[in-house]
Amino acid sequence: GAVVSQHPSRVICKSGTSVKIECRSLDFQATTMFWYRQFPKQSLMLMATSNEGSKATYEQGVEKDKFLINHASLTLSTLTVTSAHPEDSSFYICSARDGEQGVVYGYTFGSGTRLTVV
Amino acid sequence: DAKTTQPNSMESNEEEPVHLPCNHSTISGTDYIHWYRQLPSQGPEYVIHGLTSNVNNRMASLAIAEDRKSSTLILHRATLRDAAVYYCIRIQGAQKLVFGQGTRLTINP
Repeated sequence: GAVVSQHPSRVICKSGTSVKIECRSLDFQATTMFWYRQFPKQSLMLMATSNEGSKATYEQGVEKDKFLINHASLTLSTLTVTSAHPEDSSFYICSARDGEQGVVYGYTFGSGTRLTVV
Repeated sequence: DAKTTQPNSMESNEEEPVHLPCNHSTISGTDYIHWYRQLPSQGPEYVIHGLTSNVNNRMASLAIAEDRKSSTLILHRATLRDAAVYYCIRIQGAQKLVFGQGTRLTINP
């Protein structure tokens, strides 16, 4: 089945620094990827939709200058949290679908990245 | 707006069937119904999806009401590893997945 690899699984950074999270589709080409954030005891909140070769589409209330998304290839999307602050500490999860196959075969999720900003 | 309604929590016993309900009364004719589950500190995992007919796979069964306004995820024989938060999502075409609060399923030994 489709596999999405997300790295790192856990990262601790100092306040004011930037952190990059990678999301790779290992056995399929992902024209579209999605980035979510999840706080403890809460559901996943969609942050943005990442489209290969074009600008990401951000959900309302998500700062695009703070959460930079790059989807330069059909197998890789990156999320960079810039100038991180403690309130950015969260569980970040990416998801991908294989073109239109996502409608038929479901969406595949990465294992998540636990970001802690100190 | 996830546009589905699920009970906040459910509890069942190991090796017994579990029926997880989902209400999606405003569903349109082209919306698919997807189910995902999330174990602690992991990304969600695809469980099953359907459009109109009931569906079966190795993980579960999906029973869709005739009017499509509700559906039920059926775990035929629950194990402790099935304890998770289960999300029912309606999605049109290849759109983004929007998660609601889901149902936290507890399995008793």
